[in-house]
Amino acid sequence: DAGVIQSPRHEVTEMGQEVTLRCKPISGHDYLFWYRQTMMRGLELLIYFNNNVPIDDSGMPEDRFSAKMPNASFSTLKIQPSEPRDSAVYFCASSFTGGTEAFFGQGTRLTVV
Amino acid sequence: KQEVTQIPAALSVPEGENLVLNCSFTDSAIYNLQWFRQDPGKGLTSLLLIQSSQREQTSGRLNASLDKSSGRSTLYIAASQPGDSATYLCAPGVFGNEKLTFGTGTRLTIIP
Repeated sequence: DAGVIQSPRHEVTEMGQEVTLRCKPISGHDYLFWYRQTMMRGLELLIYFNNNVPIDDSGMPEDRFSAKMPNASFSTLKIQPSEPRDSAVYFCASSFTGGTEAFFGQGTRLTVV
Repeated sequence: KQEVTQIPAALSVPEGENLVLNCSFTDSAIYNLQWFRQDPGKGLTSLLLIQSSQREQTSGRLNASLDKSSGRSTLYIAASQPGDSATYLCAPGVFGNEKLTFGTGTRLTIIP
C-alpha cells in the first residue's frame, strides 16, 4: 500500500475562497482522522470517522469547517470561507480498530492570504 | 481531558551519545501510547506503539517504556546519529475511543 495519500501538498488561496483538502486512507483501515498543526497550538484533532461515520467533531473550530467521508477510500475537509488564521498544515491519518498504529499522510500546507 | 507534556522542548547532543526523551500524560486510562518522529516539512512517521499491558517496546536503537500508573513514557535512543535529528512526539490513546492526543514534541539535534 502507498500509505495515506493527501492532496494537494500545498495550497495558497485568498481569504474568502473555498478550500477542499483530500485524503485517501490506507486500504482496509476503518478509522480516519483529520489533524491540524500550527506552531502555536501543535497538533490538534479536528474530526475522526469510523466506518465512514463521523464520531467526534468537537475539534472542528467553526461552522466554516466541514468534513465528509462518502466511502471507505476517500475523505474531504472543506473550509468555506477561508480566513488567514486557517493557515496551517492539515494532516490525515488512518488506523485499524483496536488501538493499532496510526499512519499519517504527508500533509497539506494551507496558506490563506 | 488528556494533557500531554514533553520535556525538554529541545535537546542537542553530540553524535554517539545515548539520550532519553520524556512524555507525561494526565489521564492514565490509556490503552496504548505511540511515539512518532517528524522531519521538517514532512508528515509523522510512527516509531513505536506500546500497548497498555506492555512496559517496553524496542525497535533497533529505540526503546520505549510505559508506566501507566504514573502517567509517563520515555523514548531511549542509543548511539545517536545525525539522521536521528527530528521532532519526536508522543501520543497516548485513551480507552473508549481511538483518537490520539499529542504532546508539543521534543526537537532533537544530533551534532556530528
